[in-house]
Amino acid sequence: DTGVSQDPRHKITKRGQNVTFRCDPISEHNRLYWYRQTLGQGPEFLTYFQNEAQLEKSRLLSDRFSAERPKGSFSTLEIQRTEQGDSAMYLCASSLAGGGHYGYTFGSGTRLTVV
Amino acid sequence: SQQGEEDPQALSIQEGENATMNCSYKTSINNLQWYRQNSGRGLVHLILIRSNEREKHSGRLRVTLDTSKKSSSLLITASRAADTASYFCAGTSGSRLTFGEGTQLTVNP
Repeated sequence: DTGVSQDPRHKITKRGQNVTFRCDPISEHNRLYWYRQTLGQGPEFLTYFQNEAQLEKSRLLSDRFSAERPKGSFSTLEIQRTEQGDSAMYLCASSLAGGGHYGYTFGSGTRLTVV
Repeated sequence: SQQGEEDPQALSIQEGENATMNCSYKTSINNLQWYRQNSGRGLVHLILIRSNEREKHSGRLRVTLDTSKKSSSLLITASRAADTASYFCAGTSGSRLTFGEGTQLTVNP
């Protein structure tokens, strides 16, 4: 297991299209997090899962955004009807439960550009 | 919204010098973590300090935490050009990590 994998690395899409990103966490980690980062800013929390349960969602996660983690393994983040303001780096991270006591392992991110 | 602020926003030093970055946060935390991010890449966990700790060391890194002032500092000693990156502090409250806006460190060879 080489860490957290995210796919694709880059995505360019036209406004109004739907996009889906995938995250494969470290297999032993039961918590998985999604963050969004815009240029020059720190990452902002979107949502997190413990196993397959989505336990918390940020107000940033509008109804155009949906995340799933079927079977508590990989996760997908879908954005429907993309807008230019959705352009950002989408980061996935995983940790052990009690993640507040351990460092999170981040993937390299998916950079989304909406044109 | 961000947890807090980092100071300075940008720091440029010569190789071999020490770099100090400060972070202030707003709400109570369980612990505070520092991460490094190279341009366009994901974040790498550097060090975690618990709310009942005051100082922690890891290699060339030294972190302090003052919960009464809601502040932390990261010291990188004997800096190298490879330390050039953005550095973020992040406070943990519950299961959520909340990041500051980061300090861009440039180490000139």
